[in-house]
Amino acid sequence: GENVEQHPSTLSVQEGDSAVIKCTYSDSASNYFPWYKQELGKGPQLIIDIRSNVGEKKDQRIAVTLNKTAKHFSLHITETQPEDSAVYFCAASNNARSKLTFGKGITLSVRP
Amino acid sequence: DTAVSQTPKYLVTQMGNDKSIKCEQNLGHDTMYWYKQDSKKFLKIMFSYNNKELIINETVPNRFSPKSPDKAHLNLHINSLELGDSAVYFCASSQGMESDLYEQYFGPGTRLTVT
Repeated sequence: GENVEQHPSTLSVQEGDSAVIKCTYSDSASNYFPWYKQELGKGPQLIIDIRSNVGEKKDQRIAVTLNKTAKHFSLHITETQPEDSAVYFCAASNNARSKLTFGKGITLSVRP
Repeated sequence: DTAVSQTPKYLVTQMGNDKSIKCEQNLGHDTMYWYKQDSKKFLKIMFSYNNKELIINETVPNRFSPKSPDKAHLNLHINSLELGDSAVYFCASSQGMESDLYEQYFGPGTRLTVT
C-alpha cells in the first residue's frame, strides 16, 4: 500500500520567513495530494491540494509543488505569521475508494 | 452552520464499557469516514461509507461497528472498550469517491479516554 513520509518532524521559523515542508510517497499511482492544518484541539483543515496533472498550485501565501518523477511534494508558506503555528499533515491517494494515507505530521512553530 | 459535527466532544469511560460516537454532515456529501488519531498525532483511516454502503474497513477490530442510517450520518459504536482505544476519533466527509470529488472535510473530533 501507499507509504507517505513527512520531514522534518518539527520546524521553527521566525515570523516573516518562509517555511517549506516536504513529503515523499511510494505509490506511483497516487494522483491526489492534499495538505491539512491542525490547530490544537481542532480537526484537520484542508488548506490546499494538488492533483497529479499539475506541477504547482498557489493560494495567497501558500503553495504546493509536485514532482511526480521523484515522488515528492512540498508545502511552501511565505511571510509566516504566528497563526500559522500548527501541525501540518500531507496525504496521498491513488483514487482507490478515495482512501487517504497521511504522513506523520510536522509541528510548525512561528516565533514572533 | 457547522459542516461536520460530532458528539460528544469528550468521552471518558471505563474498560469494558460500550460507547457510541455520532457524526452528522450538512454538506450534502455522499461519502463519510472515521479516522483514529493516536497520541503521536498519527491519522489513520478506519472506515468509509458511500451512500450508506461500507467501502473501506481497515482491519479494525470487530469491536468497532460503524452504522450509517442515512447519507448525512455515520455513527461509531465501540464494544468492550480497551485502554488502547484511547485516542481522538475524527469523522470526515467528501462529496463523493470520484477523483474530482474526494476533498475530505473533518469534524472537530471526539477525545475518547478509557480508564
